Amino acid sequence: EVQLVETGGGLIQPGGSLRLSCAASGFTVSSNYMSWVRQAPGKGLEWVSVIYSGGTTYYADSVKGRFTISRDNSKNTLYLQMNSLRAEDTAVYYCARNLYGGDPSYWGQGTLVTVSS
Amino acid sequence: DIQMTQSPSSLSASVGDRVTITCRASESISSYLKWYQQKPGKAPNLLIYAASNLQSGVPSRFSGSGSGTDFTLTISSLQPEDFATYYCQQSYSTLSTFGQGTKVEIK
Repeated sequence: EVQLVETGGGLIQPGGSLRLSCAASGFTVSSNYMSWVRQAPGKGLEWVSVIYSGGTTYYADSVKGRFTISRDNSKNTLYLQMNSLRAEDTAVYYCARNLYGGDPSYWGQGTLVTVSS
Repeated sequence: DIQMTQSPSSLSASVGDRVTITCRASESISSYLKWYQQKPGKAPNLLIYAASNLQSGVPSRFSGSGSGTDFTLTISSLQPEDFATYYCQQSYSTLSTFGQGTKVEIK
């Protein structure tokens, strides 16, 4: 069974850093396109970043230069390193498998990041 | 970036009604479209992938159609558990994008 479990969210001051983790089971992270999507309170879904199976990464303009997506193949875990956090980064962050192409996607339950002083 | 425009933004309907939500892409995305249902405090739940394929476990009253730039999600007979927000997502380009959402409320 495919499972994705995000951890690492919390309250952080503006300008601070946080690393989110997404532990996967039931499939191999490194063989899939893995993404992060976020949802600000009361708002819609916003794609944040993707890492391809080959390791290529892409970012939304809103986070480019501040966020880094990566994975640890030995732990079958996806990460999102978030630096220089701003109030507008406040959101629930979801990791997802297979957002792309014609196959079903799978999502985690999300982790809340609150950027506030 | 490919823009996804959903309509309507919200609708009121009664149990048993047939409900249709549309999603238009700013350029052709072939059939690379997914539909999700989201309830408050929960992660999005995949309903339809590749525009018209029903995800395993999803009731058959949900269906999807379309290709190119115009897509439709239909609920044939609205049930109490279907009151939620629905999103489309283009899975065609690297910079994936979502529609703004359609909130389905009880009339």
